[in-house]
Amino acid sequence: GNSVTQMEGPVTLSEEAFLTINCTYTATGYPSLFWYVQYPGEGLQLLLKATKADDKGSNKGFEATYRKETTSFHLEKGSVQVSDSAVYFCALSDRLSGGSYIPTFGRGTSLIVHP
Amino acid sequence: KAGVTQTPRYLIKTRGQQVTLSCSPISGHRSVSWYQQTPGQGLQFLFEYFSETQRNKGNFPGRFSGRQFSNSRSEMNVSTLELGDSALYLCASSFESIGAGANVLTFGAGSRLTVL
Repeated sequence: GNSVTQMEGPVTLSEEAFLTINCTYTATGYPSLFWYVQYPGEGLQLLLKATKADDKGSNKGFEATYRKETTSFHLEKGSVQVSDSAVYFCALSDRLSGGSYIPTFGRGTSLIVHP
Repeated sequence: KAGVTQTPRYLIKTRGQQVTLSCSPISGHRSVSWYQQTPGQGLQFLFEYFSETQRNKGNFPGRFSGRQFSNSRSEMNVSTLELGDSALYLCASSFESIGAGANVLTFGAGSRLTVL
């Protein structure tokens, strides 16, 4: 079956540091890949996505590239801010019989950014 | 436009009771899915509804059930509550466009259930 593995947190950084959160996946088909972010007390929000190999998703300074050869979708940001402190979830979504796409989520990585 | 609305936001129940949670999706979204989030298990898929039909179901006991109404609003019910049911229950909706690939989910803020 499908699975997503993320690096365990928390990841603690100083403001303006470089961020990498690793994500690798296992899938039988050709999934779409996502990063979602969850701020305290809120639900998940889509951060970025990529639908095919070599696609790069980007949003708010965050980037991730769909690497089929290494089955990875690592999240990066060049300069983090305190407001980026949140939990980040990597997810994949593949078409199921019946037409729906049910995502498989990683366990989440907590990011803490200090001023 | 309004986001996904979940009610209630917080509730406390005792073992053996039952609970009903409600989810109003974004207007025009016909797919609604439910997830249980706990520190130990992370995000786990409960079930998905599309046009009032349960299309997929996760690996949860029969105490967990749901339904979807003709206006796409959804409810989930947990009967005979156990301590381990304490969790954040998240609802998500999506707009299905044929051939566009995987749909982006829009999540509500969740209903935090505490079972004592």
